[in-house]
Amino acid sequence: SQQGEEDPQALSIQEGENATMNCSYKTSINNLQWYRQNSGRGLVHLILIRSNEREKHSGRLRVTLDTSKKSSSLLITASRAADTASYFCALPPSGTYKYIFGTGTRLKVLA
Amino acid sequence: DAMVIQNPRYQVTQFGKPVTLSCSQTLNHNVMYWYQQKSSQAPKLLFHYYDKDFNNEADTPDNFQSRRPNTSFCFLDIRSPGLGDAAMYLCATSRDQAGGPSEQYFGPGTRLTVT
Repeated sequence: SQQGEEDPQALSIQEGENATMNCSYKTSINNLQWYRQNSGRGLVHLILIRSNEREKHSGRLRVTLDTSKKSSSLLITASRAADTASYFCALPPSGTYKYIFGTGTRLKVLA
Repeated sequence: DAMVIQNPRYQVTQFGKPVTLSCSQTLNHNVMYWYQQKSSQAPKLLFHYYDKDFNNEADTPDNFQSRRPNTSFCFLDIRSPGLGDAAMYLCATSRDQAGGPSEQYFGPGTRLTVT
């Protein structure tokens, strides 16, 4: 399967703690993106990291990319109850405009 | 605000009765996508358009068809819905940028129920 793999599948933390989720993939890529999905809604783009970048920050989000290991991680610092959602990595294989999604991580932040 | 709009938000159809889902965008993006998402699963790409070029995924059933009459609109036709086609259908757009597609912009989705 070309689907990306994410771990953990589910994560439950207390408000204020950090949350880390990981994505592994098999193909070569131009960039890798992370999305958030609140229950029953569309996906919202969080951050895009290009294949020649190793780390990127956006507010409380930090993304790393290791193309040699074909893996990426998303760190959410100082989590809030509003961060409760499913998080997906998505990557377009090189030379294509299609996307492969990871299996997703369900994050629950307890107030 | 520029956005991706899907209509209807909820659609109920009968087993075997054709149904069409609509998507429109005001972003002027040249790439449009249709995804199927079942409960607690990742979105599954059905097909995408690069401009007018249609790209079907190998495992997309023939029961699913699509039309893109112009840049702004894209339709998903399910010719004979089965119970297994009940899902959330997501439309998304992206644009060209150096080295591949940009981030995707998603509509709110249409939840399809098959009775």
